[in-house]
Amino acid sequence: SQQGEEDPQALSIQEGENATMNCSYKTSINNLQWYRQNSGRGLVHLILIRSNEREKHSGRLRVTLDTSKKSSSLLITASRAADTASYFCATVPMNSGGYQKVTFGTGTKLQVIP
Amino acid sequence: GAVVSQHPSWVICKSGTSVKIECRSLDFQATTMFWYRQFPKQSLMLMATSNEGSKATYEQGVEKDKFLINHASLTLSTLTVTSAHPEDSSFYICSVKDLRNLGDTQYFGPGTRLTVL
Repeated sequence: SQQGEEDPQALSIQEGENATMNCSYKTSINNLQWYRQNSGRGLVHLILIRSNEREKHSGRLRVTLDTSKKSSSLLITASRAADTASYFCATVPMNSGGYQKVTFGTGTKLQVIP
Repeated sequence: GAVVSQHPSWVICKSGTSVKIECRSLDFQATTMFWYRQFPKQSLMLMATSNEGSKATYEQGVEKDKFLINHASLTLSTLTVTSAHPEDSSFYICSVKDLRNLGDTQYFGPGTRLTVL
């Protein structure tokens, strides 16, 4: 299946440190997105990177994409306790047509300790 | 981004009963809505894709007669879990998309937690 795999599955860091999460996927993609989910809540869209982009920034977030390795990374700099959440990568396959179905990765649970 | 609501936010029901979950796009014309299911500590799995005014397209392994989806308008889609069983207990999340804008972003609802006793 297209479902991405993320590592690590869980990550615990001190406030102020950087957090890096990785995502690997299997087939060619149109774009890759990162989402955040607080426990028991809905998803919040963080950032989208297209297949022809290699790096993108948004505030304290930095996303990279390596289509040759079929992998992406999400870096959160200067982490805060409020960043504690689960983070999912999600891919839209190439040639997915108008529906642009999103397939989610397995997720990384991040805990930022104050 | 779009504002998406779900109702109810949580529901507890007895085995064998049917439960309806609503997904509303409050400020956005959603030509397409997606329904996902998320079991504890797992990722989201797409159940079905629905387009306004037409039948939903279900993912492999999802029973269309058990999970009834109605997308009657550009702002409302409903998911009915019929004859619910404890194994249907899960977190159900909808998302909306406007294909007319060909935007890539989906907007997610806050989710509905279903517990079947």
